[in-house]
Amino acid sequence: QKEVEQNSGPLSVPEGAIASLNCTYSDRVSQSFFWYRQYSGKSPELIMSIYSNGDKEDGRFTAQLNKASQYVSLLIRDSQPSDSATYLCAVNQAGTALIFGKGTTLSVSS
Amino acid sequence: DTGVSQNPRHKITKRGQNVTFRCDPISEHNRLYWYRQTLGQGPEFLTYFQNEAQLEKSRLLSDRFSAERPKGSFSTLEIQRTEQGDSAMYLCASSLRQMNTEAFFGQGTRLTVV
Repeated sequence: QKEVEQNSGPLSVPEGAIASLNCTYSDRVSQSFFWYRQYSGKSPELIMSIYSNGDKEDGRFTAQLNKASQYVSLLIRDSQPSDSATYLCAVNQAGTALIFGKGTTLSVSS
Repeated sequence: DTGVSQNPRHKITKRGQNVTFRCDPISEHNRLYWYRQTLGQGPEFLTYFQNEAQLEKSRLLSDRFSAERPKGSFSTLEIQRTEQGDSAMYLCASSLRQMNTEAFFGQGTRLTVV
């Protein structure tokens, strides 16, 4: 059974702080890793993808991947109230469907 | 709009009725996925297609659920004899076939079984 684990939260950070979201996965042969943001009542929106070990930065977002530890994280710098949402980690191998974690709820207070 | 499109957006049905949802993927995407999401949970995989072929189906998926993708274009998801436990958001996503490809979701269909 392939599993993706996330702390459900809520994770609360003040405006301007760094939010750190973590995810572990069970299938060692996983190849592709994604972070989606989901606002309440809306569908998931892709914000980051990462495929190789190390860091990948896109604006205020940085994804970090460590395949040896089966760990992927998302850092959000200068957090804004508009970042308050549920963040979903998703993992897959080539030719298979994305498997999602339950999501971490982030709350950014102004 | 060239994103993934799902219809209807909302559906209320009585227990025991059949319902059908439609998904139109991004035009050049040959992979199409169906997920179900309930409150406080991540999307749960149901099934996926590559072109018209249904390549994978969740072992948790009841026989009351069936999906098709005729001609490899739009897809339909049918639920027969709906139960209250089927109430959820049904999400469709599409992607390209190649490795390391990103999947994009439609707006979802919210099903309420009363």
